[in-house]
Amino acid sequence: DIQMTQSPSSLSASVGDRVTITCRASQSISRYLNWYQQKPGKAPKLLIYAASSLQNAAPTRFSGSGSETDFTLTISSLQPEDFATYYCQQSYSTPPYTFGQGTKLEIK
Amino acid sequence: QVQLVQSGAEVKKPGASVKVSCKVSGYTLTELSMHWVRQAPGKGLEWMGGFDPEDGEMIYAQKFQGRVTMTEDTSTDTAYMDLSSLRSEDTAVYYCTTRYYYGSGWYFDLWGRGTLVTVSS
Repeated sequence: DIQMTQSPSSLSASVGDRVTITCRASQSISRYLNWYQQKPGKAPKLLIYAASSLQNAAPTRFSGSGSETDFTLTISSLQPEDFATYYCQQSYSTPPYTFGQGTKLEIK
Repeated sequence: QVQLVQSGAEVKKPGASVKVSCKVSGYTLTELSMHWVRQAPGKGLEWMGGFDPEDGEMIYAQKFQGRVTMTEDTSTDTAYMDLSSLRSEDTAVYYCTTRYYYGSGWYFDLWGRGTLVTVSS
């Protein structure tokens, strides 16, 4: 199975900060990497697919990059509504379609 | 507008089974690839299984093989996830979600609001 490891597990930042979250796959997954945002008590929402494609409704301050085994999610200028937990997920080839363990972004 | 409406919360005893439903509105189930993801309290997301349109059959995570059955009733556009031999570690919110294909890839697009299943004696 492909393991997905995110870092950091938690992060404190301030409104206006630039934030980067990383996701590492245990083997190459090309660019089959998706990012989701989840707020407490809510279902996840897609932000980025194919490593760097912004979902239609997602704000442009979110961006993704990377390929093969190393990926990043960047928020260029944190807004109050961005404090949430972020998950990467691989959609490469055969299942299981694993998620990272999540990165909780908190207000400093 | 496509919506996934899940059944309500359940409380089950260890060893029992639970069946969670997910009704599709605004689309037909046959046009979708429905999957199930769960989340234990305070924990991350875990893919359980779903419909693989390439093979035309349900695929399950190895962890749940033999305990989970996912079915679809196309006459009512409702998907079901049946989990048996419940144990306390199965306490979680269970989400249905649709797989959306772009080119050669896919992502989980629409999500239900989740169904809390509590396993307790």
